[in-house]
Amino acid sequence: GDSVTQMEGPVTLSEEAFLTINCTYTATGYPSLFWYVQYPGEGLQLLLKATKADDKGSNKGFEATYRKETTSFHLEKGSVQVSDSAVYFCARAYNTDKLIFGTGTRLQVFP
Amino acid sequence: DVKVTQSSRYLVKRTGEKVFLECVQDMDHENMFWYRQDPGLGLRLIYFSYDVKMKEKGDIPEGYSVSREKKERFSLILESASTNQTSMYLCASSYHRTGQPQHFGDGTRLSIL
Repeated sequence: GDSVTQMEGPVTLSEEAFLTINCTYTATGYPSLFWYVQYPGEGLQLLLKATKADDKGSNKGFEATYRKETTSFHLEKGSVQVSDSAVYFCARAYNTDKLIFGTGTRLQVFP
Repeated sequence: DVKVTQSSRYLVKRTGEKVFLECVQDMDHENMFWYRQDPGLGLRLIYFSYDVKMKEKGDIPEGYSVSREKKERFSLILESASTNQTSMYLCASSYHRTGQPQHFGDGTRLSIL
């Protein structure tokens, strides 16, 4: 069935390091893809999205490119900050209105 | 900005109680959702509503029911709470259009003793 697979965490980085969190999906067609972020004690916030192949979503220094050929939507940031410490969820749309989420990847950034 | 408000951040109830979790959104969204979030399992959809008085079961509806009497409000009901329903519950809303993001509330951490 349809699914989203994320790399398991935690991902531990020093401040200013480069970040990649891998996400792959299964799908027929071209579903919209999303990255959400969850800070401690809060709900999920939309970080970025892409709606078609080769689209690049970006926000707050984070980027992800919709790769149809590899069914991937990896999240990247060139220089992480301590304030980026959070749990990151990859998601894809299905059946028009619903989302399938990955299990989340915890990022810990140390000064 | 979209505002999705869940009535309680923390809630403690006893086994067998009837529990109500309330969610209100202010963006006139057609769709509303209830998820539960558990470590290692990500988010799992409990129920979905695409219009007033309309509902659809999600992946894990057993032990839950929902009510949507007004467009802005979506309630999750635990008919007879059990300890395995201890979890974080998240409400979300979205427009009824392909590819629309969902907007989330801050969550209710529910403990059933």
